[in-house]
Amino acid sequence: DIQMTQSPASLSASLGETVTIECRASEDIYNGLAWYQQKPGKSPQLLIYNANSLHTGVPSRFSGSGSGTQYSLKINSLQSEDVASYFCQQYYDYPYTFGAGTKLELK
Amino acid sequence: EVKLVESGGGLVQPGRSLKLSCAASGFSFNDYWMGWVRQAPGKGLEWIGEINQDSSTINYTPSLKDKFTISRDNAQNTLYLQMSKLGSEDTAIYYCAREDSSYIYSWFAYWGQGTLVTVSS
Repeated sequence: DIQMTQSPASLSASLGETVTIECRASEDIYNGLAWYQQKPGKSPQLLIYNANSLHTGVPSRFSGSGSGTQYSLKINSLQSEDVASYFCQQYYDYPYTFGAGTKLELK
Repeated sequence: EVKLVESGGGLVQPGRSLKLSCAASGFSFNDYWMGWVRQAPGKGLEWIGEINQDSSTINYTPSLKDKFTISRDNAQNTLYLQMSKLGSEDTAIYYCAREDSSYIYSWFAYWGQGTLVTVSS
């Protein structure tokens, strides 16, 4: 199975700050990567697919980048509604696997 | 509006079976791959598996392949997850999700609200 190592596990940032979350795959996943946001008590919601494509309706302050085994999610100008957990997922190979998540809180 | 509504969760004794349903609306159900993901309390996400449009292809995570069965009824716009030999490790929120795709890749574009399964005596 492809292992997805996500960092940091938790993050505290201020409103308006830029935040970056990293995800490293155990092998090349050829941009087969998505990012999801999960607010407390809610289901995950797609933010980014194919490593850098923004899902419909997602604010443009979210962006994804990377290639090979290294990927990142950037949130520009952090808003209070961005407090959530964030998960990466590879869908390059079966079984699809998720990162352990990053919990983002406000400082 | 894409809507996915899971049902069928609840308290079940160890060793028993349970079948979850996911009612889909707001899109042409028989045009999409569908999948299941679970999340143990306070934990991360685990991919269970997926099924293609006509049920001819079903993929599972290997550790659950002998316990769980994914199926669908396109006439009823409903996805199912049959779970057997349940143990405490299966206690989780179970989400169904619609896959969107391009070329060889597919990802979970829309998720249901989830249904909680608790395995306990």
